[in-house]
Amino acid sequence: QQQVKQSPQSLIVQKGGISIINCAYENTAFDYFPWYQQFPGKGPALLIAIRPDVSEKKEGRFTISFNKSAKQFSLHIMDSQPGDSATYFCADPNAGGTSYGKLTFGQGTILTVHP
Amino acid sequence: DTAVSQTPKYLVTQMGNDKSIKCEQNLGHDTMYWYKQDSKKFLKIMFSYNNKELIINETVPNRFSPKSPDKAHLNLHINSLELGDSAVYFCASSQDRSENTQYFGPGTRLTVL
Repeated sequence: QQQVKQSPQSLIVQKGGISIINCAYENTAFDYFPWYQQFPGKGPALLIAIRPDVSEKKEGRFTISFNKSAKQFSLHIMDSQPGDSATYFCADPNAGGTSYGKLTFGQGTILTVHP
Repeated sequence: DTAVSQTPKYLVTQMGNDKSIKCEQNLGHDTMYWYKQDSKKFLKIMFSYNNKELIINETVPNRFSPKSPDKAHLNLHINSLELGDSAVYFCASSQDRSENTQYFGPGTRLTVL
């Protein structure tokens, strides 16, 4: 079964700190790499997404960046807040082959932000 | 207004039973999906329908049968439930099959006893 390598599995950060989550991707045939945020008891919700021809995208405290040489894309959460505590998933639209719309999700990172 | 809704939210049943989960989206999207999230939170696609046509069918036991009566609805029927089917099932939708922004429902927690 295809999986997307996401790390770390869990992350504990103090309020105001920076949270960094990494994902490895296979190729950039499809052009939209999303990150999803999931709170307990809820469905995943799109947080931010990036095209591979853009090296970085910032939305408020959330930034995605691409490292093409390492075939990695990362989510940075600046000034982390307790309300950011959730599970974060990256998704690779290419890992499952050529099926359009088929997102292969990473294993998830459980982020805990202590007050 | 709820964009993607699922019923029921919780489902507790005995092994061997047959059950259905319903999903509806009011976003006007063409493509709908079923995902399974296991106890380790791993999220895996099961099926996808585009405008009532099955386009993704992962390696899922044939006890699972999706049905799309129209493009706003995608139901999941499960026959002969097994203990390993216990999980949270999410429905999702996207504008079309090439769109990777998927909107998820709240999930159905299925517990098989």
